[in-house]
Amino acid sequence: GAVVSQHPSWVICKSGTSVKIECRSLDFQATTMFWYRQFPKQSLMLMATSNEGSKATYEQGVEKDKFLINHASLTLSTLTVTSAHPEDSSFYICSARGGTGGSPLHFGNGTRLTVT
Amino acid sequence: GESVGLHLPTLSVQEGDNSIINCAYSNSASDYFIWYKQESGKGPQFIIDIRSNMDKRQGQRVTVLLNKTVKHLSLQIAATQPGDSAVYFCAETHSGNTPLVFGKGTRLSVIA
Repeated sequence: GAVVSQHPSWVICKSGTSVKIECRSLDFQATTMFWYRQFPKQSLMLMATSNEGSKATYEQGVEKDKFLINHASLTLSTLTVTSAHPEDSSFYICSARGGTGGSPLHFGNGTRLTVT
Repeated sequence: GESVGLHLPTLSVQEGDNSIINCAYSNSASDYFIWYKQESGKGPQFIIDIRSNMDKRQGQRVTVLLNKTVKHLSLQIAATQPGDSAVYFCAETHSGNTPLVFGKGTRLSVIA
């Protein structure tokens, strides 16, 4: 089945530094990937839609200059949290759709970001 | 359904019993629904999906029921096992190409 790999699985960084999270579709091409954020005991909140070869579409309230998304190939999307602050500490999860519209989304195993 | 919740509802069931997890969705235009299972520290795992032209779909030990009239979705797990303990989310989308919107989630706790 479709596999989405996310790296790193966890990261600890200091306030003010930037962190890059990678999301790869391992056995399929994904023109569109989605980035979600999840706080403890809460549901997944969509942050942005990443489109290969074009600018990402951000949800309302998500700062595009803080959460930089790059989707340079059909198998890789990256999310960079710039100038991270403790309130950015969260579980970040990417997803991709294997196949045409109507196929289920497959998710990576998430990245636990802790900003100290 | 709403995509933000401060507290996850919890369902506790005895091992071997059947579990029913419910979800209310809000967008009447949604036509594709998915149930995901999320274990601690992991990403959501696909369980079963259903399209709006159906009202029931069965998988291995799981059944999804869709009631479009009241915008309600349910997941039934037969003979619940300890390995089924996790948080379960319903998700909805329209035409399959729009992002998934997740429900609040329900924590299933299986008592051995």
